[in-house]
Amino acid sequence: LAKTTQPISMDSYEGQEVNITCSHNNIATNDYITWYQQFPSQGPRFIIQGYKTKVTNEVASLFIPADRKSSTLSLPRVSLSDTAVYYCLVGDTPGRGKNTGTASKLTFGTGTRLQVTL
Amino acid sequence: DAGVTQSPTHLIKTRGQQVTLRCSPKSGHDTVSWYQQALGQGPQFIFQYYEEEERQRGNFPDRFSGHQFPNYSSELNVNALLLGDSALYLCASSLWGYSNQPQHFGDGTRLSIL
Repeated sequence: LAKTTQPISMDSYEGQEVNITCSHNNIATNDYITWYQQFPSQGPRFIIQGYKTKVTNEVASLFIPADRKSSTLSLPRVSLSDTAVYYCLVGDTPGRGKNTGTASKLTFGTGTRLQVTL
Repeated sequence: DAGVTQSPTHLIKTRGQQVTLRCSPKSGHDTVSWYQQALGQGPQFIFQYYEEEERQRGNFPDRFSGHQFPNYSSELNVNALLLGDSALYLCASSLWGYSNQPQHFGDGTRLSIL
């Protein structure tokens, strides 16, 4: 499984855009990039997942360059409630369908602790 | 649509005791994975169950064992508890064979060893 490197912590003011970059130099061809958010004493919550280029959903955008050796999670106009730990993960994807592979075991790093203040 | 539920939410045990934690997966999911999260660290994979069998295992001793039932729910058992077993234990569910679909986590069981 590819190892990921991300900043230990980041600070932001409410209303700003926050970009968290993750390095994954050894990403494999079949790996997807997934970001989770975790609040204290809660389980990780899925934010966004992508394979290449750009993915956007209602809460975030994920930018992946052509070489896929890094990715950037972008949170637009953060609020105090976005204060959390953000994890970047890469994992193998044997393929769809019940006969083609296993369910992934996720390898978490230490994550990025985002602190949002007024 | 019920998400992943875990019980109990908190538990206090002493060294040497045994503990059983329980997990019900999200509706429609058939695979359960267990993770251990120490304070200030990311979750670490313990093992994964599908069709009532252990399919993958992380770097955890045999004191950690599990079970999956026909209704896909799962138990994590830890024997001979050590102080270092104090952690948040997370259960995640997913659909077998669709490994590029995100896993869904419960809010965990906080286990404290005295």
